[in-house]
Parts: sequence; structure tokens; C-alpha cells
Amino acid sequence: SQQGEEDPQALSIQEGENATMNCSYKTSINNLQWYRQNSGRGLVHLILIRSNEREKHSGRLRVTLDTSKKSSSLLITASRAADTASYFCATDDRSNAGKSTFGDGTTLTVKP
Amino acid sequence: EAGVVQSPRYKIIEKKQPVAFWCNPISGHNTLYWYRQNLGQGPELLIRYENEEAVDDSQLPKDRFSAERLKGVDSTLKIQPAELGDSAVYLCASSPGGGRGETQYFGPGTRLLVL
Repeated sequence: SQQGEEDPQALSIQEGENATMNCSYKTSINNLQWYRQNSGRGLVHLILIRSNEREKHSGRLRVTLDTSKKSSSLLITASRAADTASYFCATDDRSNAGKSTFGDGTTLTVKP
Repeated sequence: EAGVVQSPRYKIIEKKQPVAFWCNPISGHNTLYWYRQNLGQGPELLIRYENEEAVDDSQLPKDRFSAERLKGVDSTLKIQPAELGDSAVYLCASSPGGGRGETQYFGPGTRLLVL
């Protein structure tokens, strides 16, 4: 069963715009990670945020975590056509450390 | 540094036939994962190894799926016999091991089609 649920399922924007996708989960976690998957490829790790952190930046990526609402958001600023991919959140359940549970992802399309 | 290697990349078989997937993790990574990813969904863990030991195989359909990781390096995942519903992408990932919720490094996956 999937713990994380991404929202929206699909997002289409113009190049240069910002893209925001959200992830909600159900249990207490140690950390939350975001991954990107290009069509036909494996997943690539983007960023990890720990349960005691509220915000983290990496280049054009900004991730927030609200453990009281059990939710996280991924913001991609100044999007590029190359950002077109599916984005997944993965949670490390505090009761089952070492196991990451993935959501079903948000499919982002950035139009040039 | 070489990434996670998987083979084959694609496999088409008829139902009831056996099939095997191979994974070579990143050198030095103790933890190895096998995931199944259905179309439009996220990866679902099948089995996780710490070195040679399967520490989480609760989602592995043991009536038809088996896996092994001899010598704690390479791993194989087998399905026998395959069913139509097994059509999916099978992903292998590895991580250094010993930590909680570590970053996982994924291979390109094996796309299986069962006819």
C-alpha cells in the first residue's frame, strides 16, 4: 500500500513558471525524500528533509515539511523543459526504519 | 562511479513462463532493494537486503517470486510462473546501508511484458 499521496496527479506549465506539488502521508516519519523519474528511466534522488526540519533548498528546488499536517511540498522555480518528469515523495516510516514508501507521483510537463 | 546496473532492460514472455532479473548495485553499498512499478504508480517495495540477509520481504508474493543475494553483492529476482498481472517495471536500488531512510540509487529498471 502507498503511504504518500501526491497532488496534483498532473501539472502542465510554461517554461519559466514555478511548479508546486504536494505530498501527504499518514504515519510518523523520520524523513521525507523527493525523487524525479524521467520517462523510461530509474528514479533520481532530489532532496531529503528530516522530520525536525521545516524547509530545505537545493538550487531551484525548495521543499517544506509540516509534520503536524503530515504534508510536504516541492517547489521548482523558473522551470525548464528539462524538468518535465514524474516527481515522487518517499517517506521513511518511524515504525519501520529503512523502508521508504513511495506515493504515486505528480507528472509535470513544462512547455517550451 | 558506476551506477546500479540491471539486465535485461526489456523482457517479453508468455504467461506461465519463468523470468529472472539481475542487479549489480553500486560498489560498497550494503543495502539492496527490489521494487515493482506499475504504470502510473510509484515504486512498491518487494524485498530489501542488508548484505546477504533479506530484512523485509513482507510484500514479496512468495508463491511465485523468489530472490537471492549471494555474497551480499549481486542479486537476482525470479518469477515462476509469470502471470499477466506481473507486467510492470522492476527496479533495483542500492544504498550505503546502516542508516535510516537513506538516499537510494536506482537502476534503469527492467520492463516486463507478460503475454
